[in-house]
Amino acid sequence: DAKTTQPTSMDCAEGRAANLPCNHSTISGNEYVYWYRQIHSQGPQYIIHGLKNNETNEMASLIITEDRKSSTLILPHATLRDTAVYYCIVRVALGGGGADGLTFGKGTHLIIQP
Amino acid sequence: NAGVMQNPRHLVRRRGQEARLRCSPMKGHSHVYWYRQLPEEGLKFMVYLQKENIIDESGMPKERFSAEFPKEGPSILRIQQVVRGDSAAYFCASSPTGPYTSSYNSPLHFGNGTRLTVT
Repeated sequence: DAKTTQPTSMDCAEGRAANLPCNHSTISGNEYVYWYRQIHSQGPQYIIHGLKNNETNEMASLIITEDRKSSTLILPHATLRDTAVYYCIVRVALGGGGADGLTFGKGTHLIIQP
Repeated sequence: NAGVMQNPRHLVRRRGQEARLRCSPMKGHSHVYWYRQLPEEGLKFMVYLQKENIIDESGMPKERFSAEFPKEGPSILRIQQVVRGDSAAYFCASSPTGPYTSSYNSPLHFGNGTRLTVT
């Protein structure tokens, strides 16, 4: 399984863009990059996912480098409610060995400062 | 469209009792996944089910734990003879397609979990 590396924690000022990096240097060509977050006492919330092109939705943008060895999740205007643990996950592809395709690491604890 | 529903939200059991955790997937979802999160730890995969079938239970303890997803009704995670070490948050997720299909690109959607406390 490809694994990911994320900083343990990050701070960001409210209203600014939060940029969360993730390294996945052993990613395979048909594996997706997924981002989830977990706000205290809640279940993980899906944010966004992508294969090789950059993606944007109402929550965030995902920038994947051309070699696919790293990616950045961007929250364009962080609010206090964005304080959470953010998980970058490489999803095991069809036949890749993992049935569920979501292996959670320790994630990045993002703290939005007022 | 309602999300993944789990109940109860909180469950307290004495050592030796049985715990039953229920999960109703999102409408149209036929794949269910159970995860466990111990205090101050990450989420760990337990079991993946499709209607009436267990597809992968590699993350489930061999004893005392079982899961089912009947044709009708919610998925059930059952823990027999609970011990203090079973105290954790148990999360259920669902998806409309599973990892063994060619359109495997659907995110898992999680419920808000059942917090089990064993006294």
